[in-house]
Amino acid sequence: GDSVTQMEGPVTLSEEAFLTINCTYTATGYPSLFWYVQYPGEGLQLLLKATKADDKGSNKGFEATYRKETTSFHLEKGSVQVSDSAVYFCALRKLGGNKLVFGAGTILRVKS
Amino acid sequence: DVKVTQSSRYLVKRTGEKVFLECVQDMDHENMFWYRQDPGLGLRLIYFSYDVKMKEKGDIPEGYSVSREKKERFSLILESASTNQTSMYLCASSFGGPRDEQYFGPGTRLTVT
Repeated sequence: GDSVTQMEGPVTLSEEAFLTINCTYTATGYPSLFWYVQYPGEGLQLLLKATKADDKGSNKGFEATYRKETTSFHLEKGSVQVSDSAVYFCALRKLGGNKLVFGAGTILRVKS
Repeated sequence: DVKVTQSSRYLVKRTGEKVFLECVQDMDHENMFWYRQDPGLGLRLIYFSYDVKMKEKGDIPEGYSVSREKKERFSLILESASTNQTSMYLCASSFGGPRDEQYFGPGTRLTVT
């Protein structure tokens, strides 16, 4: 079945460090790919998405590129802030479907 | 702004009790979803609904049922709560279609003792 694998956390970084959170997927066809973020005490918010190969999603300084050849959608940010501390979820949705399949989530802690 | 609200942020129930979790959205969305969130497992879909009175099982429906009598409201029911249903429950809604986005509520942390 379809699945999403994320790097295990927690990831602990100092402010202004470079961030990469790895995400790979297994799915038939051409799914859409998403990154959601969950700040402490809140629900999930869509951070960015990509709907086809080589698309780059970006938002709030975060970026991820849909790589079909490596079935990956790694999240990157050039300079993290303390306010980026949250749980990040990678997810996929199959073409024409309504359901999201989520990875296990990666906790990010940014220290000042 | 889309708003998805859940009836309680925290709930404590006893084993065997019947538990209702309510979710309301204000954007006339077609689809509504119930997930549970557990550490190391991410979010797992319990049930979803694509229209009033329509429902479909997700990945982990055992021990749960749902009700959608009005478009804006989607209820999750634990017929007889058990300790392994202690979890964070998240509701979401979306318009549907190929470019839709799911909007999430703040979650209900349920503890079954």
